[in-house]
Amino acid sequence: QKEVEQNSGPLSVPEGAIASLNCTYSDRGSQSFFWYRQYSGKSPELIMFIYSNGDKEDGRFTAQLNKASQYVSLLIRDSQPSDSATYLCAVGGGTASKLTFGTGTRLQVTL
Amino acid sequence: EPEVTQTPSHQVTQMGQEVILRCVPISNHLYFYWYRQILGQKVEFLVSFYNNEISEKSEIFDDQFSVERPDGSNFTLKIRSTKLEDSAMYFCASLINSGANVLTFGAGSRLTVL
Repeated sequence: QKEVEQNSGPLSVPEGAIASLNCTYSDRGSQSFFWYRQYSGKSPELIMFIYSNGDKEDGRFTAQLNKASQYVSLLIRDSQPSDSATYLCAVGGGTASKLTFGTGTRLQVTL
Repeated sequence: EPEVTQTPSHQVTQMGQEVILRCVPISNHLYFYWYRQILGQKVEFLVSFYNNEISEKSEIFDDQFSVERPDGSNFTLKIRSTKLEDSAMYFCASLINSGANVLTFGAGSRLTVL
């Protein structure tokens, strides 16, 4: 059974701080890694994807992948109240393969 | 920006009834998926569909479920005889091609089985 593990939170950070979200996965054959944001009652919205070891930056977001440790993280710099949501880590195999999601980490950005 | 459209947004049905959830994927996308999310739980893969046939399905996708693409645009999920535990948000997603794994999700259809 392929598993994706996340701390459910809530993770509470003050506005302007860095939020660090973590995810581990069990399938060493995983090839694609995604972070989605989900507001309550809404569909997942893609934040970032990463395929190779290392860091990938996009604006205030940085995804980090360490395949040896089977670990993916998402850093959100200058956190805003609008970033308050549940962040879903998802892991996929090859092209067009299904995604396995974690349960999500609820982030609360406080004023 | 192109989007995946799902209908209905919310459907309430009686246990044992048939339900059809409809999706219009993005027009040039080739791969189609259904995922579901029971309230408070993780998003779970149900089925993937490519070239007019199922390419992969999960253990959840039993004989009560079926998918089809009746025309060039719609992609439907049918649940033949709904159970209480089928109550969930059902998300349709599509993917342009096999070069990237970036899914575009629809807004979801909330199914409530009474």
